[in-house]
Amino acid sequence: SAVISQKPSRDICQRGTSLTIQCQVDSQVTMMFWYRQQPGQSLTLIATANQGSEATYESGFVIDKFPISRPNLTFSTLTVSNMSPEDSSIYLCSVQSSFPLYEQYFGPGTRLTVT
Amino acid sequence: AQSVTQPDIHITVSEGASLELRCNYSYGATPYLFWYVQSPGQGLQLLLKYFSGDTLVQGIKGFEAEFKRSQSSFNLRKPSVHWSDAAEYFCAVDDNYGQNFVFGPGTRLSVLP
Repeated sequence: SAVISQKPSRDICQRGTSLTIQCQVDSQVTMMFWYRQQPGQSLTLIATANQGSEATYESGFVIDKFPISRPNLTFSTLTVSNMSPEDSSIYLCSVQSSFPLYEQYFGPGTRLTVT
Repeated sequence: AQSVTQPDIHITVSEGASLELRCNYSYGATPYLFWYVQSPGQGLQLLLKYFSGDTLVQGIKGFEAEFKRSQSSFNLRKPSVHWSDAAEYFCAVDDNYGQNFVFGPGTRLSVLP
């Protein structure tokens, strides 16, 4: 299984600012995913990030608000832009396993509070 | 579109008691099925998965789950719960080789001493 780390683990930010979350994997993976988990809620997929191509966003999420970079096969960033209190959530990255297939492994998450 | 329901928002059991968490999915074919656990302040850990074959699958930490096609269910069970099992449990389905996960709303498990 892949070992995934995220930075920062938590942050408190003021509205109108932006935060970039980093996701590092200990092995090369093709597909990485970013999820949002609002307080007391389940996980919602924000976007899928493949190396060398533009991220694919789910309905309700746009690139201007959540720009994603995927510069190589072990790293990705998610930026939460122009934050509002409604963006207060846990943001998790995950990777699709290369073997066995069909699994996703998750990072520890970044707990964001917007004041 | 596929969907996942977990009818129980919160379950409380006594330590040592048995546990069953329910999961139902809506999908035309048999998707890949997963159970994840999220301990407070932690990320998600995969407990077990079902792809095909034997409908009773064993996972980590003494958990097992049974796939029932006729009921579109994938319920999670444990014969004897430990206090450390207190956490949030998520059922998930995927219909695209690990690229299209849909999570259920989660069931919060509390364990009484």
